[in-house]
Amino acid sequence: KAGVTQTPRYLIKTRGQQVTLSCSPISGHRSVSWYQQTPGQGLQFLFEYFSETQRNKGNFPGRFSGRQFSNSRSEMNVSTLELGDSALYLCASSFRTLGYGYTFGSGTRLTVV
Amino acid sequence: DAKTTQPPSMDCAEGRAANLPCNHSTISGNEYVYWYRQIHSQGPQYIIHGLKNNETNEMASLIITEDRKSSTLILPHATLRDTAVYYCIVVYGNKLVFGAGTILRVKS
Repeated sequence: KAGVTQTPRYLIKTRGQQVTLSCSPISGHRSVSWYQQTPGQGLQFLFEYFSETQRNKGNFPGRFSGRQFSNSRSEMNVSTLELGDSALYLCASSFRTLGYGYTFGSGTRLTVV
Repeated sequence: DAKTTQPPSMDCAEGRAANLPCNHSTISGNEYVYWYRQIHSQGPQYIIHGLKNNETNEMASLIITEDRKSSTLILPHATLRDTAVYYCIVVYGNKLVFGAGTILRVKS
């Protein structure tokens, strides 16, 4: 069965621009979570969506936003990019939000110059 | 915010069992312990999870102490492909809170 698909795999943006990342979960999975990974901070939780509703949000500024569509696909948007936003952005999907393993995608590597 | 403590790194000989410890002394009664691993530049891979009983699957075994304050992930016959960062995670609310993890180096 197909895994979690994230697009694009790599992205280079300029400071001040905005970016949209996409995540297609495993078929039947209704929960999608987003994480940011940097060498200094490790893996940090951004937010989680379940059935088109944001259920939880991490400690990130409002420039980071997301949404989930009726087919469970999710997008993450970062506005007014800063150099510090350079990171690997990972999404994970799960059938439920608790008690089941999450399957991660390979991530989108964002570089802000 | 991380609720787990792991050693920063461990070495293991190929073919031997790798035992990765994790402390989660503030875990509450309904919080699960999950283990994931991340091979360089890939997304984390789910290994196993448990609540209070020991668990085993095709990848590993998870031993949770009776007081649930610590656990051990056991890879019974480590191979070079098991070299990765291993994360012990307590599911907190609806999010996975990752700590720094343990870098496991399997050596031939």
